[in-house]
Amino acid sequence: EILLTQSPGTLSLFPGERATLSCRASQSISSSYLAWYEQKPGQAPRLLIYRASTRATGVPDRFSGSGSGTDFTLTISRLEPEDFAVYYCQQYDSSPYSFGQGTKLEIK
Amino acid sequence: QVQLVQSGAEVKKPGASVKVSCKASGYTFTFYYMHWVRQAPGQGLEWMGIINPSGGRTTYAQKFQARVKMTIDTSTSTVYMELSSLTSDDTALYYCAREREELVIWGYFQHWGQGTPVTVSS
Repeated sequence: EILLTQSPGTLSLFPGERATLSCRASQSISSSYLAWYEQKPGQAPRLLIYRASTRATGVPDRFSGSGSGTDFTLTISRLEPEDFAVYYCQQYDSSPYSFGQGTKLEIK
Repeated sequence: QVQLVQSGAEVKKPGASVKVSCKASGYTFTFYYMHWVRQAPGQGLEWMGIINPSGGRTTYAQKFQARVKMTIDTSTSTVYMELSSLTSDDTALYYCAREREELVIWGYFQHWGQGTPVTVSS
């Protein structure tokens, strides 16, 4: 099973700042089969990024994904108030599909 | 638009079983694989398994293999997830989640149900 470790656990930033979230895999993820989700309190997760860098439909271009192999990054270029949430990475290279433990992005 | 509407909250005793439903609409039901994902209170996300709504073939995460069963009812476009031998560790929010693309398993989830809370308590 591929383990995903996200860092930091909590990230405190001001609106307008740039956020960089990390996801590290226990083994190489082929073809960049990695997705990112945003989850707000009381809501289901929302798909942001798939194939490591492809934005899902309707996702603002301030969200971008990068990386390959074992190291992946989600970047939010300029934080909007609605971006403060928990973010999860997920690998779908091999079953069982697995998620990171999440990064909480909070307003400073 | 795509909608996945799940059944309501459940409270079960240890050792019991629970069956959660997920009714799909807004797309051709048999064209998209459906997954189940759960989230324990204050915790992360855990993939449980996948079902092919065309034919009902399933693949389960090994952790749940012995006590999970996913089924379909194509007449009502509904997917079911039944979990048996419940313990307090199964207290969680259970989501159905649909693949983004038709007729293929990628393993990531474009559309989600609203979640069904399951509480296991004596």
